[in-house]
Formats: sequence, C-alpha cells, structure tokens
Amino acid sequence: KAGVTQTPRYLIKTRGQQVTLSCSPISGHRSVSWYQQTPGQGLQFLFEYFSETQRNKGNFPGRFSGRQFSNSRSEMNVSTLELGDSALYLCASTLEGSSPLHFGNGTRLTVT
Amino acid sequence: KQEVTQIPAALSVPEGENLVLNCSFTDSAIYNLQWFRQDPGKGLTSLLLIQSSQREQTSGRLNASLDKSSGRSTLYIAASQPGDSATYLCAVRPVLPASNAGGTSYGKLTFGQGTILTVHP
Repeated sequence: KAGVTQTPRYLIKTRGQQVTLSCSPISGHRSVSWYQQTPGQGLQFLFEYFSETQRNKGNFPGRFSGRQFSNSRSEMNVSTLELGDSALYLCASTLEGSSPLHFGNGTRLTVT
Repeated sequence: KQEVTQIPAALSVPEGENLVLNCSFTDSAIYNLQWFRQDPGKGLTSLLLIQSSQREQTSGRLNASLDKSSGRSTLYIAASQPGDSATYLCAVRPVLPASNAGGTSYGKLTFGQGTILTVHP
C-alpha cells in the first residue's frame, strides 16, 4: 500500500507570491491533516479535512487555506507569502481516532 | 491547553546501550499517544501507538509505556544501533477530538519538541 505522497518536495518562492502544495493520502483514508514544522515552533497543526469538509483548524492566519477533493487528495494554499512561512509542510492521513497518523515526506518551502 | 514536553532534548550514546526517552503531557484526558521518528529532512515515521486504555506497546526493539494518570510516556530502545539515530517525537491525541466545524476531528495531535538521538559506533 502506498504511503502519503506530497508534491513538490522543494519550493522556492518570493515574498508576496502564493503557493499550492499537494497531498495524496493512503488509500482509504478520508482524514487529511496539514502541519507546519519550523525549528523554533516545532510541529504546529494547520487544519484537517474529512470527506471534503474542514473538520478542524489551527491558529494560523487566513492566508493559509486548504481543500480536499472527492478522491481525498488535499491541497493547501498560502497566499501573500512572508519570510516566516519558510518551513517544512507535512501532510498526514488517518483512518479514524484509534488509528495512527501517517505522514508524508513533506514539502520544504523557502521564501526569499 | 495541552502541553507536551520531551526530556532529554538530546542524547548521545554508544552503540549497544539500552536507553529511555521521556514524554510528559499536562492534560491526562488523552485518546491515545503516538511515538514517531524523524530523519533529517524527512517526514515522520510512526513507531508505536498506545491507546489510553493500554499500558504499553512493543515493536521489535522498541517498547512504549503509558501512565495516563501521571501524564507520562516512555520509549525504551533496546540494544541501540547507529541506524536508530534520529529525532524522536511523541504526540497526544485529545480524548474528545476537538472539532470546530462539525464532525469528529481525528488529525489534530499535540507534539513535543523531540529528543535528538545520536548512537555512535
């Protein structure tokens, strides 16, 4: 069974631009979550989607948004990029509450 | 607000040693706790998941214990190897997965800052 797949692996953007990251969950998983990882703040929850509906949202500004498609694939978008958005963005999927969360290898975003 | 702390922040041991990584959490109302490892520049690999009703879980040389009432979990690694070198993270899932948009949320975990483990030959 294929794991969680994230594309692209690396991105370099300029301040003010926008970016879209993609995530394909493990087959059969309808819950997809996004996390931001930085050296200073560690892993922080962005949002979670389940069956195309946002189920939960972390404390991030509205510039961070996401969506989920009918095949459970998910995208997250960051608009008006800031230098502080440079981070590793991780996507995770799970079956339900008593199941483990499985992570992809992440997208490394660098904002210059 | 749930807070997760991992001690020590870094650990360096010679190959073959048995070692213990610690994780503590402030709110004992957890659904389960998961241990991960992360290699540099990579994503997280799930190691063990302990449900709140369980005391421990084992996988190969790894054993994780959970004491929910005291807010603690330990990850025991037996006979450490250089390939075990990585950052180890623990994360807790709340007992009533918080949802602010209707439905049950499964994906929100609270993570510790991790323990950086180096096993040298």
